[in-house]
Amino acid sequence: AQTVTQSQPEMSVQEAETVTLSCTYDTSESDYYLFWYKQPPSRQMILVIRQEAYKQQNATENRFSVNFQKAAKSFSLKISDSQLGDAAMYFCAYGIGSSNTGKLIFGQGTTLQVKP
Amino acid sequence: EPEVTQTPSHQVTQMGQEVILRCVPISNHLYFYWYRQILGQKVEFLVSFYNNEISEKSEIFDDQFSVERPDGSNFTLKIRSTKLEDSAMYFCASRGPISTNEKLFFGSGTQLSVL
Repeated sequence: AQTVTQSQPEMSVQEAETVTLSCTYDTSESDYYLFWYKQPPSRQMILVIRQEAYKQQNATENRFSVNFQKAAKSFSLKISDSQLGDAAMYFCAYGIGSSNTGKLIFGQGTTLQVKP
Repeated sequence: EPEVTQTPSHQVTQMGQEVILRCVPISNHLYFYWYRQILGQKVEFLVSFYNNEISEKSEIFDDQFSVERPDGSNFTLKIRSTKLEDSAMYFCASRGPISTNEKLFFGSGTQLSVL
């Protein structure tokens, strides 16, 4: 069965600094997708970034980038120039590419605190 | 950007009562989902729905749960006889119309409190 593990329950970063959130996953599939979702106190689920497993290039979205290590089954999120609005819970998620349902499996989440 | 709409935002009910949580997915989407999140825990998959039938469900989605798309626009989750442990945030999500690999759009959630 596929699993997603986030080993850091809480992280903190100083405003304007860089922080990296860790995620590992376990799968026997070759075609899959990985995601980072942000959940602010409003509890809305907001897609931050997405990575296709077949792509070697790491995805980037403005200040957000990933370090995707397929062999190690690792998918970390780097937030550069952290802002107060980045404070939230971050979930790593996995989806099978060939799935006929499209369900996502989420990790336990990492709460990010941004200090002014 | 288009939105998935969920109503109500908060629902309080007595144990044993039936509740219906409502969702309006994005209009041209074909794949629909319910997830739930118990406070402080991870988001858990409940059920996926495609072509007017359940395509996959989790162990959580037992006989007390059902889903329906009654009129081509709404997508509902019914809990027949609520338990205390059903208290959670319930998220509706949708994607499509092309494939299950497209971006998943989440609604804002319905916070269900069972007393």
